[in-house]
Amino acid sequence: GQQLNQSPQSMFIQEGEDVSMNCTSSSIFNTWLWYKQDPGEGPVLLIALYKAGELTSNGRLTAQFGITRKDSFLNISASIPSDVGIYFCAGLGRLGGSQGNLIFGKGTKLSVKP
Amino acid sequence: DAGVTQSPTHLIKTRGQQVTLRCSPKSGHDTVSWYQQALGQGPQFIFQYYEEEERQRGNFPDRFSGHQFPNYSSELNVNALLLGDSALYLCASSPGGNREQYFGPGTRLTVT
Repeated sequence: GQQLNQSPQSMFIQEGEDVSMNCTSSSIFNTWLWYKQDPGEGPVLLIALYKAGELTSNGRLTAQFGITRKDSFLNISASIPSDVGIYFCAGLGRLGGSQGNLIFGKGTKLSVKP
Repeated sequence: DAGVTQSPTHLIKTRGQQVTLRCSPKSGHDTVSWYQQALGQGPQFIFQYYEEEERQRGNFPDRFSGHQFPNYSSELNVNALLLGDSALYLCASSPGGNREQYFGPGTRLTVT
């Protein structure tokens, strides 16, 4: 099935560091969503973006809807141990395609530096 | 306010068998979508139900079918199970078809 391009695939964080990840697509979306998934659980919605250029924050998390509507970015500031997990981007309302199904990236896995 | 709930949590089935998974949406949500998540992958869309009808369908065979009840809860049925059907099955609900979706904890299906 179709998936978005999400990078990096994995990264190691040290407490207090800032983290950045991004998601790109060849298709235009009306909405971008960011989710976090812990092992054995369902994805939890972090941030929803509805307009090109929109910048939205949720605590230490900030996400942006790219101007081209084909990409999105997520930043985590001053990371803490509970930020560990897998972060997924998802596009909703693909232009020229079906409107109601989410199309996901493969995820960015955040781990603690050994 | 209860979130999305799914049952059962885990399930082990044998090839060729049939399985039914259940989902109750978040209060106030009328649309239910089902996703399959293989290990190490993002969720893949199976289908979406609204007003008791399948509104959209992803690239999954007819062995995958579903139902939505008048109270908006939903079932996912998979017939003639294959080893490749082993995955985490996620249900998501939304207040309308083209809105942000909230996921349940999933059902882990293992086919042996």
